Amino acid sequence: RKEVEQDPGPFNVPEGATVAFNCTYSNSASQSFFWYRQDCRKEPKLLMSVYSSGNEDGRFTAQLNRASQYISLLIRDSKLSDSATYLCVVARRGTGGFKTIFGAGTRLFVKA
Amino acid sequence: ETGVTQTPRHLVMGMTNKKSLKCEQHLGHNAMYWYKQSAKKPLELMFVYSLEERVENNSVPSRFSPECPNSSHLFLHLHTLQPEDSALYLCASSQNPSPSYEQYFGPGTRLTVT
Repeated sequence: RKEVEQDPGPFNVPEGATVAFNCTYSNSASQSFFWYRQDCRKEPKLLMSVYSSGNEDGRFTAQLNRASQYISLLIRDSKLSDSATYLCVVARRGTGGFKTIFGAGTRLFVKA
Repeated sequence: ETGVTQTPRHLVMGMTNKKSLKCEQHLGHNAMYWYKQSAKKPLELMFVYSLEERVENNSVPSRFSPECPNSSHLFLHLHTLQPEDSALYLCASSQNPSPSYEQYFGPGTRLTVT
């Protein structure tokens, strides 16, 4: 089983729709959680960190459920420019140092 | 944005060649990383350096050899690669290697091994 799992999608939604992605992680020692965005043939960029209390940044809301070991990303009022791959990232201390584990990503297509 | 730069952007090499990938960060960060991204696979962390010292090596084959001469520069030396090593190689940096810190990625080097 992969340490970080995401539904690969693709999610095809119309402009203005609300879409949600989930990500599960298997290691309960995981400390930090992030959502990164990766456009086609570009590098990943941080979208938002995910805090225990949940956090919102404009149209984007991220939540963490430690008991069930999943994080979520909600995008409201989708824009064409939201089309990208969304990467769930989990970080923790490992035996030799720090480990950052990326999910395989969820692809989103927003259509006019 | 040119916080993290990588050269070359594209590289084609034969299995017997030796080449090096270069990464430079202009953010004053103390940690640098090499990742491999293959088609339809998650990013795989290869190496982590903190203040020029390697702190993580995720069982990467010895045909990949990292070098960090100072906190702003990171190299990945390649020799006798295999076709399955063809991938996008991404460099990243962060303020320090703690899991709490955001990583900033370079544009990557797209490597093709023939």
